[in-house]
Amino acid sequence: NAGVTQTPKFQVLKTGQSMTLQCAQDMNHEYMSWYRQDPGMGLRLIHYSVGAGITDQGEVPNGYNVSRSTTEDFPLRLLSAAPSQTSVYFCASSYSARSGQLFFGEGSRLTVL
Amino acid sequence: ELKVEQNPLFLSMQEGKNYTIYCNYSTTSDRLYWYRQDPGKSLESLFVLLSNGAVKQEGRLMASLDTKARLSTLHITAAVHDLSATYFCAVDIYGGSQGNLIFGKGTKLSVKP
Repeated sequence: NAGVTQTPKFQVLKTGQSMTLQCAQDMNHEYMSWYRQDPGMGLRLIHYSVGAGITDQGEVPNGYNVSRSTTEDFPLRLLSAAPSQTSVYFCASSYSARSGQLFFGEGSRLTVL
Repeated sequence: ELKVEQNPLFLSMQEGKNYTIYCNYSTTSDRLYWYRQDPGKSLESLFVLLSNGAVKQEGRLMASLDTKARLSTLHITAAVHDLSATYFCAVDIYGGSQGNLIFGKGTKLSVKP
């Protein structure tokens, strides 16, 4: 069972570069979200989507874009990477917004130099 | 501002001992979740608590929710080394309408022989 798949697992960028973190789920989940995890900060919500074509901002959306053209995919785009975006990024999904129980991907560790 | 506070943030226990992790939150919610994270790994769902007075148990872990006190507890009974991990509580602040979870900073548990 694939579940939630994130790629890449590791990435190093230079300041100002752009990139996309990919997230795909094969569970037909309506709800998908992106979190970042920083030491001592827990997880903070970046963007979320309650269904294809619908996205919204979370706690820390600045510097990130998302889109949800299909139910399965929810990519996270870094427009112009900054060292403050060095973090571990987790994609998560759940059956519906009402479900709340999230299934997490393995994480993507991003370093911005 | 919504706050989800866990304490303690660090916990070193001896095998066989009991202890409780506390999760306080600052806004009304009747949905609370507990997750476990092993070092360098993703998050795994432990418990879903959906109403006042809810109690769930799995092995040596028991979680409860008091929505009036805005408090959840994760009780560890007769700790074993395999329970060493970081435990996060997360609150659904929109009552399931949006599925967004706000996470505490986590409690890093270390169980020593």
